[in-house]
Amino acid sequence: EAQVTQNPRYLITVTGKKLTVTCSQNMNHEYMSWYRQDPGLGLRQIYYSMNVEVTDKGDVPEGYKVSRKEKRNFPLILESPSPNQTSLYFCASSLNFGGNTEAFFGQGTRLTVV
Amino acid sequence: AQSVAQPEDQVNVAEGNPLTVKCTYSVSGNPYLFWYVQYPNRGLQFLLKYITGDNLVKGSYGFEAEFNKSQTSFHLKKPSALVSDSALYFCAVRVEDSSYKLIFGSGTRLLVRP
Repeated sequence: EAQVTQNPRYLITVTGKKLTVTCSQNMNHEYMSWYRQDPGLGLRQIYYSMNVEVTDKGDVPEGYKVSRKEKRNFPLILESPSPNQTSLYFCASSLNFGGNTEAFFGQGTRLTVV
Repeated sequence: AQSVAQPEDQVNVAEGNPLTVKCTYSVSGNPYLFWYVQYPNRGLQFLLKYITGDNLVKGSYGFEAEFNKSQTSFHLKKPSALVSDSALYFCAVRVEDSSYKLIFGSGTRLLVRP
């Protein structure tokens, strides 16, 4: 089954404790990205990657890092999480970065930083 | 600036009645428009997209959307609502800059009452 898989689904952590949210897609997609969803704000892009070893900042990159060492994986790293990073996070992938390609989303990771 | 607006936080409709969820956009260049649906504790699921061609786009689960260039709108419609359609709906536009990101509206919660 074609899918984007995120782990974990739920995570509660303390301020300053490094964490990684994994994302993997099995569709051989080139383009992957991370979004955060906050009430009343929709989804905002954190980082994106057009292919292996090619990543760039989105609209809200502060406090996050990513890497793309393999085509299928695109982990999101929070080096020192803070409470304002409490949010619902989604990984997404697209076949390519053309305007007409739809994105496929993971099931989300609900992160709480206390 | 490129943006998407969903003017209604919530839409209430009775089962069997037609529904409309509104979306307006502002983009430079060609608009690549999408609708996604989010069920509780799930990721976003693609419903339909407008790329070019017919202004009425048909998608999954009986949904359709009408593209209106002069009004810069892309309203989601369904002739007969089901209780199971109750969910959070997002309109999005893909920008044609170096990020190719999706810009999302703030979302509209659809509540279909029996």
